[in-house]
Amino acid sequence: EAQVTQNPRYLITVTGKKLTVTCSQNMNHEYMSWYRQDPGLGLRQIYYSMNVEVTDKGDVPEGYKVSRKEKRNFPLILESPSPNQTSLYFCASRSWVGRETQYFGPGTRLLVL
Amino acid sequence: SQQGEEDPQALSIQEGENATMNCSYKTSINNLQWYRQNSGRGLVHLILIRSNEREKHSGRLRVTLDTSKKSSSLLITASRAADTASYFCATDAGRANFGNEKLTFGTGTRLTIIP
Repeated sequence: EAQVTQNPRYLITVTGKKLTVTCSQNMNHEYMSWYRQDPGLGLRQIYYSMNVEVTDKGDVPEGYKVSRKEKRNFPLILESPSPNQTSLYFCASRSWVGRETQYFGPGTRLLVL
Repeated sequence: SQQGEEDPQALSIQEGENATMNCSYKTSINNLQWYRQNSGRGLVHLILIRSNEREKHSGRLRVTLDTSKKSSSLLITASRAADTASYFCATDAGRANFGNEKLTFGTGTRLTIIP
């Protein structure tokens, strides 16, 4: 089954404790992206990757890092989480062929205390 | 900045009625897409309309696009309880984003279908 998976689905952590949210897709998509969703703000793009080893900032990249060492994986790293990073995070991917539709993961709900 | 703005923010209708949601955006687009999100879950792609199209249908969904007014509408006919969800429009400005081709989302319309 074609899908985007994220782990963990739920995470409670404390300020300053490094964490990684994994994202993996099995559709051989070149393009992957991370969004955060906050009430009243919709979804905002954090980082994106157009292919392996090619990443760039989205609209709200501060406090986040990403890497793209393999085509299928695009982890989101919070080196020193802060309470304002409490949010619902979504990973998405799409292909350059028929590239218009993005496929979203199920989301990761993060609470930073 | 948010490209799409949905209207209304919330909508409650009786099962069987039609639901209409609107989306306005600010810049030129390559296409506009509508997504559904059930509470706390991932987004599911519903329908895509390209900038050179004016209307598109998919099952009970009908989407219109008016590029002169920079607006789109999503009509769900004969609504069902299972249609209860949040609906988002997302614009794709294509190459204007310098290859990012990201989707820019609005804040969504919360649709509640009353059985």
